[in-house]
Amino acid sequence: DTGVSQDPRHKITKRGQNVTFRCDPISEHNRLYWYRQTLGQGPEFLTYFQNEAQLEKSRLLSDRFSAERPKGSFSTLEIQRTEQGDSAMYLCASSLIFGTGADTEAFFGQGTRLTVV
Amino acid sequence: DQQVKQNSPSLSVQEGRISILNCDYTNSMFDYFLWYKKYPAEGPTFLISISSIKDKNEDGRFTVFLNKSAKHLSLHIVPSQPGDSAVYFCAASATREYGNKLVFGAGTILRVKS
Repeated sequence: DTGVSQDPRHKITKRGQNVTFRCDPISEHNRLYWYRQTLGQGPEFLTYFQNEAQLEKSRLLSDRFSAERPKGSFSTLEIQRTEQGDSAMYLCASSLIFGTGADTEAFFGQGTRLTVV
Repeated sequence: DQQVKQNSPSLSVQEGRISILNCDYTNSMFDYFLWYKKYPAEGPTFLISISSIKDKNEDGRFTVFLNKSAKHLSLHIVPSQPGDSAVYFCAASATREYGNKLVFGAGTILRVKS
């Protein structure tokens, strides 16, 4: 399977605990995005990387959220001191950007569903 | 501030007929528009896209129309098939301003009845 892979698929955690999600993008893709989707809404942008550089973070990404993409390959999204409002589907996407600035469409993983109880 | 709006939460269509899903946007900086399809428990899957320099793009049963002056786009599926039943998301990006990140609408649930 050469698509975007996310792990775990589901995570249930108690409020106040820390959680970490992993995303493995399509291997040749240099852009990696994290989105969050809540019930009845479309995905909302959280942050994105080009290679290992984190280029933008949304205002949705509070100080409790941190994302990394060491070596420009896989990425992790960590949420510290989880709150019930963090319950959502966390989606990762990747794309290939060319020197012209144009890129391929974003390919999404299956997401990690987080439930904070 | 919803920059991309899909005002119809759901749509029901008979198999074989045309499905028309609509999307409006407010940000004039958007220059690339996409439609994604999502089945339950799966991530969104890319369906079709259109650049702002075009007003129509066709791929098999799927056609996207863009009306820049009205800031409106639509997805036509013809003929509709039961396997098309899914949530359809409209998305937009402003390639020079937003690093190609996507702004999504809330989605429209399409049900194709056989």
